[in-house]
Amino acid sequence: TQLLEQSPQFLSIQEGENLTVYCNSSSVFSSLQWYRQEPGEGPVLLVTVVTGGEVKKLKRLTFQFGDARKDSSLHITAAQPGDTGLYLCAGASASYDKVIFGPGTSLSVIP
Amino acid sequence: DAGVTQSPTHLIKTRGQHVTLRCSPISGHKSVSWYQQVLGQGPQFIFQYYEKEERGRGNFPDRFSARQFPNYSSELNVNALLLGDSALYLCASSLLASGVAGELFFGEGSRLTVL
Repeated sequence: TQLLEQSPQFLSIQEGENLTVYCNSSSVFSSLQWYRQEPGEGPVLLVTVVTGGEVKKLKRLTFQFGDARKDSSLHITAAQPGDTGLYLCAGASASYDKVIFGPGTSLSVIP
Repeated sequence: DAGVTQSPTHLIKTRGQHVTLRCSPISGHKSVSWYQQVLGQGPQFIFQYYEKEERGRGNFPDRFSARQFPNYSSELNVNALLLGDSALYLCASSLLASGVAGELFFGEGSRLTVL
């Protein structure tokens, strides 16, 4: 059974601080996605990483895929209140018959 | 272009009742997946359908069933509702192509409350 773990579970920081959240698994995924979800809405795709060691940047967000394609990290520079939300990592199985999600990291950025 | 649409957005049922949730994918997307999300947790995979065939099933009881229609819209049915079925039910569509198989586009969900 493929499982994804995320840490920390909760994170509350001041505006302007930097932070990193982690996504780990014992399984290899064909691709890994990061999503952000706001209350009352569905998750919104932020990025896809496919190649081991890959690094992608999206404005102040930096995503990294581990060399073995079992783990990933999301780093946010100079966090803003608009970054508040639930950050979810997700992995697609090799046979593409399912995408599983981690439990999420709930981020609160205080002005 | 319209995104993924789900209906109803909110509903209240009592234990033992049956519920049908509906989803229309993004135009051109042939894959629909259903997820259950309990407050404070990540979405749990229920089903994936592609070209009207079930391709994947999560660890949910047989009370949960789904189908996909020729126009790629989908229904999720839950029989004999339990209090624990109270959750946000999310539908997601995708292209299901190599490299982007995990790229899901979600609707806003159907909030089910079972009393």
